[in-house]
Amino acid sequence: EVQLVESGGGFVQPGRSLRLACTASGFIFGDYGVSWVRQAPGKGLEWVGFIRSKAYGGTTQYAASVKGRFTISRDDSKSIAYLQMNSLKTDDTAVYFCTRDLAVAGRVFDYWGQGTLVTVSS
Amino acid sequence: QSVLTQPPSASGTPGQRVTISCSGSSSNIGSNYVYWYQQLPGTAPKFLIYRNNQRPSGVPDRFSGSKSGTSASLAISGLRSEDEADYYCAVWDDILSGWVFGGGTKLTVL
Repeated sequence: EVQLVESGGGFVQPGRSLRLACTASGFIFGDYGVSWVRQAPGKGLEWVGFIRSKAYGGTTQYAASVKGRFTISRDDSKSIAYLQMNSLKTDDTAVYFCTRDLAVAGRVFDYWGQGTLVTVSS
Repeated sequence: QSVLTQPPSASGTPGQRVTISCSGSSSNIGSNYVYWYQQLPGTAPKFLIYRNNQRPSGVPDRFSGSKSGTSASLAISGLRSEDEADYYCAVWDDILSGWVFGGGTKLTVL
């Protein structure tokens, strides 16, 4: 069974950092890209960024709203993806979901984690 | 303001057919596949439609997708109470070099 489990969320003050983890199981993690998508309270979905699989260079791409502050990485040996969030702002308050994709097969965001809540407040 | 425009709400009665639109531009819908997701209250989104009109296994054939030019639509026929959810379209944007989601449509089954 495919599973994605996020962890690391919590309460943090503006300007501080937080690292989220996405632990995968039930599939060959290294074959897939991983995206982070967030949802502010009562709002819609916002793509944050992704990391491609090593087969596609393992490169990353980010939304303009987080570029330069957030970094996505992966450890295929542990089947974990990370979202390092620096210089956090109150606008970053959201539930953060990790999701996988294999775009060449049309499998874009086909499985999602349950999400982890990040609250940025003073 | 989202790059993709969806109506904020839609409604129908059980058994009816409803459609949800997603309007974009030549840099996203006009040149790439559209994907749809269903989000039930308090849960993670669920993969509903891929590559404009393909259904993953397990998704009922009551759900269908289509695309024409720079717009796409999700249709739900034989509406059921359990279809009450938020629906999002998503597509790659060539100018932004990233994925974009529509603002979401809250479907109410009356």
